[in-house]
Formats: sequence, structure tokens, C-alpha cells
Amino acid sequence: DTGVSQDPRHKITKRGQNVTFRCDPISEHNRLYWYRQTLGQGPEFLTYFQNEAQLEKSRLLSDRFSAERPKGSFSTLEIQRTEQGDSAMYLCASGSAQETQYFGPGTRLLVL
Amino acid sequence: EDQVTQSPEALRLQEGESSSLNCSYTVSGLRGLFWYRQDPGKGPEFLFTLYSAGEEKEKERLKATLTKKESFLHITAPKPEDSATYLCAVQGNAGNNRKLIWGLGTSLAVNP
Repeated sequence: DTGVSQDPRHKITKRGQNVTFRCDPISEHNRLYWYRQTLGQGPEFLTYFQNEAQLEKSRLLSDRFSAERPKGSFSTLEIQRTEQGDSAMYLCASGSAQETQYFGPGTRLLVL
Repeated sequence: EDQVTQSPEALRLQEGESSSLNCSYTVSGLRGLFWYRQDPGKGPEFLFTLYSAGEEKEKERLKATLTKKESFLHITAPKPEDSATYLCAVQGNAGNNRKLIWGLGTSLAVNP
């Protein structure tokens, strides 16, 4: 299967802890996106990379969130000092110049 | 401000009972309109991309159409396995913006 993969699929953490998620995009895609989704809502944009460059970051994100894509391939999303409001499904998508975004299975985060 | 509104919020059909889902949008120049299917606990699964008014795309029992203000997802003779949440998203062509603006989705249940 050459689709988008995400790891871990589930994460339970205590409030105040740091967590890191990984996304491996479809190999030939140069664009990578992170979204957050809560129950009953559509995905909410977090950030976007083209190759290794982070071109856009939602102003809704606090400084506790950071994302990297060091070699233009896989990406990581880190949340520092997690809060209960961070509990959500974190989705990664990749795409090319044709604009369609293909999503991974998501990482479900629960902050206790 | 770019916005997407989907209706109805929920739809229950009998197997074989055809219907349509609506996606109304406002965007400052449409780069693309996207339809996705999402099953509980999973990432969105890509269905269609539409780029210009008058365009239509078809896949099995699904057909998507686009006008300058809205898109319809027509479901012909649905089966229980078509039960899912159907999400609509748009991408505007302002600058280098690549993020998708999402609707809240239509939750479809098809009874056997």
C-alpha cells in the first residue's frame, strides 16, 4: 500500500506532557498538510509544507504546536504541554500540483 | 470569507432510494471543489475533484456536479455500504494558499 501513513494511530497522554506524531506521505507528493478534526466537525487546517518549506501556518495554532519536514519527505507534528482541549484526531494529507489531497488514517489523541 | 455549507446534516435512506447531498460555497476564486467520504474513526477518503461550473464526475453509484454557487453529490440506488459522512471542501486561488475550507458534512445512513 503506497498511501499516506501516520504513526501512532492512537495516543493517550497526561495533561502537560509533550507528544509527537509522524506522517509519511505518498512518495511522489511534494505537498504535505496537517489538519485537526473533532467529533462532528470538518477538518481544521493547521499547516502546509511544500517540500521542506513550511509555507502556511494557521493563526489558530498556539506556540505549543510545531511541525517539521526536514528532508521534504516525512513530517512530524509536536504538541508541547498538552491540554485537554488538544484531544482530537490529527490528520495528515499529501498532494501534488493537481491539488487533490489524500489523507492518512489519522492519529487519535486523548489528553487526560 | 470563504465558507462551505452542507445540507442536510443527516439523511436516512432505504436501500435503492436515490437522493442528493448539497454543498453551497462562497470563495474568492475557486481553485477546486472536493468531495470526500469519511467512515467513523478513519481519515477522509477522496472521491472527486471538480474545477469549473458545468463539470460532472461519476464513480459507481455516485455522481458529482458543480455550478458557480453549489455542488451536488447524487447517490443512485444506494446500498448499506454507502453509509458514511460525506464531506465537501473548497480551495480558493488567492495567492499561495493551499488549505481546504470544509463543510460539516452530511451523515448518510442507508437501511437494508
